[in-house]
Amino acid sequence: KAGVTQTPRYLIKTRGQQVTLSCSPISGHRSVSWYQQTPGQGLQFLFEYFSETQRNKGNFPGRFSGRQFSNSRSEMNVSTLELGDSALYLCASSPNRATNEKLFFGSGTQLSVL
Amino acid sequence: AQSVAQPEDQVNVAEGNPLTVKCTYSVSGNPYLFWYVQYPNRGLQFLLKYITGDNLVKGSYGFEAEFNKSQTSFHLKKPSALVSDSALYFCAVRDHGSSNTGKLIFGQGTTLQVKP
Repeated sequence: KAGVTQTPRYLIKTRGQQVTLSCSPISGHRSVSWYQQTPGQGLQFLFEYFSETQRNKGNFPGRFSGRQFSNSRSEMNVSTLELGDSALYLCASSPNRATNEKLFFGSGTQLSVL
Repeated sequence: AQSVAQPEDQVNVAEGNPLTVKCTYSVSGNPYLFWYVQYPNRGLQFLLKYITGDNLVKGSYGFEAEFNKSQTSFHLKKPSALVSDSALYFCAVRDHGSSNTGKLIFGQGTTLQVKP
């Protein structure tokens, strides 16, 4: 079974631009969540999607948004990029939303904002 | 507020020696606790979890963790370290019964360096 796939692997953007990151969960997994990883702030929760609905949102500005499609694939979008948005963005999937489920992570998209 | 603390930024250990990576947590209600490992330029890989039951949990690659409710700790251990265990380790918690089921709260991470 293929793992969680994130594309692209690397991105370089300039301030003010927008970016879209893609995540394909493990086949059969319906829950997708996103995390931002930076050296200073560590791993921070962005949002979670299940059945095409956002179920939870972390403490990030409205420039960060996402969506989930009927095949469970998910995208996140960051508009009006700032230098501080440079980070590794990780997507994770799980079969459902049970609290005892482990998450399966992708390798991430490394975003650099210049 | 829920939180996880990993008090050591880095742990150094010689190959063949036992290792411990520390984690303490603060949650309301019963905690669901997890350990993940991250190798360079990779995502996180699941090592083990504590949900309920035995306080000693065994996981992947020979790792185990001990849940201690009175000390609110969930330390990761391995009897004999390998150089290939060198990586970044994260402790995480998800509050049992919370509606935030997709949300893990992570510690800051501990870099484990195993020297030959």
